[in-house]
Amino acid sequence: AQSVAQPEDQVNVAEGNPLTVKCTYSVSGNPYLFWYVQYPNRGLQFLLKYITGDNLVKGSYGFEAEFNKSQTSFHLKKPSALVSDSALYFCAVRDSSASKIIFGSGTRLSIRP
Amino acid sequence: NAGVMQNPRHLVRRRGQEARLRCSPMKGHSHVYWYRQLPEEGLKFMVYLQKENIIDESGMPKERFSAEFPKEGPSILRIQQVVRGDSAAYFCASSPGPSGEKLFFGSGTQLSVL
Repeated sequence: AQSVAQPEDQVNVAEGNPLTVKCTYSVSGNPYLFWYVQYPNRGLQFLLKYITGDNLVKGSYGFEAEFNKSQTSFHLKKPSALVSDSALYFCAVRDSSASKIIFGSGTRLSIRP
Repeated sequence: NAGVMQNPRHLVRRRGQEARLRCSPMKGHSHVYWYRQLPEEGLKFMVYLQKENIIDESGMPKERFSAEFPKEGPSILRIQQVVRGDSAAYFCASSPGPSGEKLFFGSGTQLSVL
């Protein structure tokens, strides 16, 4: 069975500082990994994905994520946070042998000016 | 190219009534997913459909809930005899192909059961 965990309910960062939002996963086959962002009263928006290839994936709005197979992690990062990055972030995974995509519980990112 | 359209945006039902939630995927997308989101919680997978087929319904409650995606028209999530615990935001997402593709989400339907 596939699963995904986001161990932090909330991450607080000062504007201009680097940020990391953590995600770990468990699958039986090869993982397809995703990050999405949700703004208030909106649906989720795609940020980036990892299927195969380079372990460092670059996405929208300056975000990137690093796939680490040995640690089964896919942490989201950004070198310099903006106040406008404040939102709810979801990690998602699909097992290559499965059909559904499941989401983590979400991490609320708060960037203070 | 319109995005994923969900309607209604808000739906109020009394206990025991039926709720029908509609989702029109993006043009050219033949894969639809339904998720439920409770306040301060993540998205819970409910069902994955392709045109005229249910691919994975492992997240759907066995009773009262059903979903379809007909050859023509929107995907429908139907909840019969609603209870207060069904109150949640229901999100639909679509993709052009299998689940390796990114999902495009609608703005959701907020269901409130009185």
